[in-house]
Amino acid sequence: DQQVKQNSPSLSVQEGRISILNCDYTNSMFDYFLWYKKYPAEGPTFLISISSIKDKNEDGRFTVFLNKSAKHLSLHIVPSQPGDSAVYFCAELNSGNTPLVFGKGTRLSVIA
Amino acid sequence: DVKVTQSSRYLVKRTGEKVFLECVQDMDHENMFWYRQDPGLGLRLIYFSYDVKMKEKGDIPEGYSVSREKKERFSLILESASTNQTSMYLCASSLTSHNTEAFFGQGTRLTVV
Repeated sequence: DQQVKQNSPSLSVQEGRISILNCDYTNSMFDYFLWYKKYPAEGPTFLISISSIKDKNEDGRFTVFLNKSAKHLSLHIVPSQPGDSAVYFCAELNSGNTPLVFGKGTRLSVIA
Repeated sequence: DVKVTQSSRYLVKRTGEKVFLECVQDMDHENMFWYRQDPGLGLRLIYFSYDVKMKEKGDIPEGYSVSREKKERFSLILESASTNQTSMYLCASSLTSHNTEAFFGQGTRLTVV
């Protein structure tokens, strides 16, 4: 059973508007959440993270929100720019030395 | 600057060939990982290693093996390449301490014909 779900395979947003990417998880043991961004033919790059003891973390145009009761994570990008067009993966990490668990990704297209 | 380097960006191999994918990191990280990325399937973990000479199976280890003889190097081996192993292969590394992100290499696009 998939532990991390990104239910929207793709999202299209107008330049300057807000992009909202969503992620749901099933395992309450996760205590650290990350977002990665991936361009074609390149490796994923770390974007932003949040600890499970927080409900919000902000870094410039990127904000991640965590709703533990709903087991839901979202990434907000505002304003969206054409260079944000990429595949975004959410990932979770639980206590202990375990590998990251990734969702299937959401392809964001920002239209100029 | 953090660096994970994969030996090839693109590879084309024939069915049945033995294939070696090499990964080197210069950050003195204990943990190293091999993932593959396929459309609609996301990033799936093949193997990982927490220390030299140690290895653990991930979610899809069948048809693969790994080698970690030195801390900085983690090799993925396809014993007998098949067409369903055509994919983007991604190596990553991270520190042992909790709650730290993994750093990825640039990826190897492998095509098996």
